[in-house]
Amino acid sequence: ETTLTQSPAFMSAAPGDKVNISCKASQDIDDDVNWYQRKPGEAAIFIIQEATSLVPGISPRFSGSGYGTDFTLTINDIESEDAAYYFCLQHDDFPYTFGQGTRLEV
Amino acid sequence: QVQLVESGGGLVQPGRSLRLSCAASGFTFSGYAMHWVRQAPGKGLEWVAVISYDGSNKYYRDSVKGRFTISRDSSKNTLYLQLNSVRLEDTAIYYCARDVGAVAGPFEYWGQGTLVTVSS
Repeated sequence: ETTLTQSPAFMSAAPGDKVNISCKASQDIDDDVNWYQRKPGEAAIFIIQEATSLVPGISPRFSGSGYGTDFTLTINDIESEDAAYYFCLQHDDFPYTFGQGTRLEV
Repeated sequence: QVQLVESGGGLVQPGRSLRLSCAASGFTFSGYAMHWVRQAPGKGLEWVAVISYDGSNKYYRDSVKGRFTISRDSSKNTLYLQLNSVRLEDTAIYYCARDVGAVAGPFEYWGQGTLVTVSS
């Protein structure tokens, strides 16, 4: 089973800041990492597919990078609406696994 | 637009059964794999099971194998999760999610979840 270690668990940012969220895999998973945003009371939203591909309709302020074991979600020019819980998912092997999540406060 | 609406959660005693449903709309249900994911109180997300677009392939996490069954009814655009022999540790919010494709990939859409509480 692939373990995803996500950090930080919590971060606070000011509008206009740039933030990075890390997701490290316990083994090589190519680019099979995806990122999601979830807000209280709402369904999770798919924001980055296959490590680097921005999901259509998602703001270009979001970007993803990485391959193999180290992955990063970057949010540029933070806006108040970006306050949410972010998590990574690997679909390289079963069982799929998730990072523990990052709560972003703006 | 794509909608996934879970139902069927509730309070169930250990060892008993429960069936969760996920009503899908806004897309061709028979064309996509579907997943169940859960999140226990205060814990992280945990993938539970996946079923391919035609129901021919199913995969489960080890802790639910032999107890849970994922199924789908394309005539009703509905995904199911049958929970048998439930345990205290099965207490969680259960989410259904639509895959990006027909077999098994990442989740493109999520529902808002239904709460299952296992307690005597």
